[in-house]
Amino acid sequence: SQELEQSPQSLIVQEGKNLTINCTSSKTLYGLYWYKQKYGEGLIFLMMLQKGGEEKSHEKITAKLDEKKQQSSLHITASQPSHAGIYLCGADLQGAQKLVFGQGTRLTINP
Amino acid sequence: DGGITQSPKYLFRKEGQNVTLSCEQNLNHDAMYWYRQDPGQGLRLIYYSQIVNDFQKGDIAEGYSVSREKKESFPLTVTSAQKNPTAFYLCASSPRSGGTGELFFGEGSRLTVL
Repeated sequence: SQELEQSPQSLIVQEGKNLTINCTSSKTLYGLYWYKQKYGEGLIFLMMLQKGGEEKSHEKITAKLDEKKQQSSLHITASQPSHAGIYLCGADLQGAQKLVFGQGTRLTINP
Repeated sequence: DGGITQSPKYLFRKEGQNVTLSCEQNLNHDAMYWYRQDPGQGLRLIYYSQIVNDFQKGDIAEGYSVSREKKESFPLTVTSAQKNPTAFYLCASSPRSGGTGELFFGEGSRLTVL
């Protein structure tokens, strides 16, 4: 089973709509990272969350960390075609000396 | 400009052949990583190195080998022992050793076994 579970695995939304992607850990989180990837390319760092309750925003993307639930959510407001791609969460987990990744969420924006 | 360079971007190999993927960084980062990406499975760690001349196996090291002779370079060899080598390979680096922190990724190398 995955140590980091992302949901949904795939998401299709109409341009201009809001959306949320979740990332849930089975272990204690020591740091949570969100990345975006366009197909066939490398990952681009979006945001890092380290403290429970922390919330960060970059343009129309907001990420929150819920320490009690061991979960992070990524919220996009008024989605645009440029938001399309694969979103991956990565985490420093208890006992791990490496970054563990979720399976990714493929986001499609329909015009 | 500082960054991570992977080469080649696309590579085709016949079964039974070894192939080496290059990863070079000029960010002066201590830690370097190799991940494999398959559809629907996210990224899985192959090998990582936190310092020159030292490296550790990740979750799926079988059939792969690495070296870290220089701080800037962390090449990955996909050997003929790797049973399903067709995948997208990503190299990353981090300024922090003994932990993780933000990873900086290369553009990836797509290996196809014919």
